Amino acid sequence: GQNIDQPTEMTATEGAIVQINCTYQTSGFNGLFWYQQHAGEAPTFLSYNVLDGLEEKGRFSSFLSRSKGYSYLLLKELQMKDSASYLCAVLHTGGFKTIFGAGTRLFVKA
Amino acid sequence: DAGITQSPRHKVTETGTPVTLRCHQTENHRYMYWYRQDPGHGLRLIHYSYGVKDTDKGEVSDGYSVSRSKTEDFLLTLESATSSQTSVYFCAISEFPRLAGDTYEQYFGPGTRLTVT
Repeated sequence: GQNIDQPTEMTATEGAIVQINCTYQTSGFNGLFWYQQHAGEAPTFLSYNVLDGLEEKGRFSSFLSRSKGYSYLLLKELQMKDSASYLCAVLHTGGFKTIFGAGTRLFVKA
Repeated sequence: DAGITQSPRHKVTETGTPVTLRCHQTENHRYMYWYRQDPGHGLRLIHYSYGVKDTDKGEVSDGYSVSRSKTEDFLLTLESATSSQTSVYFCAISEFPRLAGDTYEQYFGPGTRLTVT
């Protein structure tokens, strides 16, 4: 079977750091994505990990451990505009079918 | 932004009527997808296409059919709409990675909000 788990909601303070975790169990794995989705809008691509380790891209970093079926998205220097849902998604073997988790709603407060 | 449009953007229809949603892309991407998004469920894959006339089922395909007669258009049809199909529908596209740093990331259309009464 396949299962992707992430917390439903998180709250953090402007300027702080927040880590959003994702665990997955899938029948095939070819990489893990993080997407950001503001309310009422379409998801947009943030990051992709296929090898173990940390990928840094500006204020956002994403980590993957394939052996543990675990990833996290790290957001630094939080801004109010980072209030959004963050979707963890697994790319299946074969390369184009992607399964999404339910998403984590992040609230950034002043 | 990737050139993806969806039409209509909003639709209200009655139970039992057929509905067709259209996704149009100008990026010449090979892969196209239809998702529905509901509170608590995230994005769920309905059908996807890996080429013209090549389609396959996703997680929640019952009650839906698709067609792709040309690269740029992917149609989703609700054969007989039910209230459980009230949702936001997103189309997405992706392409086989060609350059270093490319991935299979998906680009999403703006979504269609469908209400079945």
